[in-house]
Amino acid sequence: DAKTTQPTSMDCAEGRAANLPCNHSTISGNEYVYWYRQIHSQGPQYIIHGLKNNETNEMASLIITEDRKSSTLILPHATLRDTAVYYCIVPGGSQGNLIFGKGTKLSVKP
Amino acid sequence: KAGVTQTPRYLIKTRGQQVTLSCSPISGHRSVSWYQQTPGQGLQFLFEYFSETQRNKGNFPGRFSGRQFSNSRSEMNVSTLELGDSALYLCASSSGAAGFSGANVLTFGAGSRLTVL
Repeated sequence: DAKTTQPTSMDCAEGRAANLPCNHSTISGNEYVYWYRQIHSQGPQYIIHGLKNNETNEMASLIITEDRKSSTLILPHATLRDTAVYYCIVPGGSQGNLIFGKGTKLSVKP
Repeated sequence: KAGVTQTPRYLIKTRGQQVTLSCSPISGHRSVSWYQQTPGQGLQFLFEYFSETQRNKGNFPGRFSGRQFSNSRSEMNVSTLELGDSALYLCASSSGAAGFSGANVLTFGAGSRLTVL
């Protein structure tokens, strides 16, 4: 089963920051947290990943709590094109599989 | 640089047939992983190949198999198709040296949409 827990859906107003939470309470010390998103019927797109420190790139920021049991993906100025399903992923399973879960459906509204 | 290419993009098969899907990774990437996406089960990991060897495997029956060639291109095969195999099949490539447990960013293809009648 998925090692991450995310809300099923969220809404965000265009131009505002979108904050997507993820719980990964069973994460191990050397496991990374990855975020991908999938726009309808397309392949998932990599957004950002992190281990312990907060990370920022041109797409988003990733805030990881000090105990590493949860993280938040921040889209600073959401646009309509950011409407997608967002997956928070931690490699899981005895064979190091990637478990995507159901993700969070983010709807950005005008 | 060119992205991950999956062929065919769409195909229709009937129950009992078999299907082969192809994935050409980004040049220089040695890891190719495959995923099945259905509305009910979401995105599920099938298997991963690295340097022609299957390195990781998900919980799918033996009807699902794959292989990787020396140029890192990969194929997956589904035999004795069932209606429930109708899905979007995605592949992703990465440099793969660190495996899934390391810093390993995946680049996905657009997918092959299989319909089984």
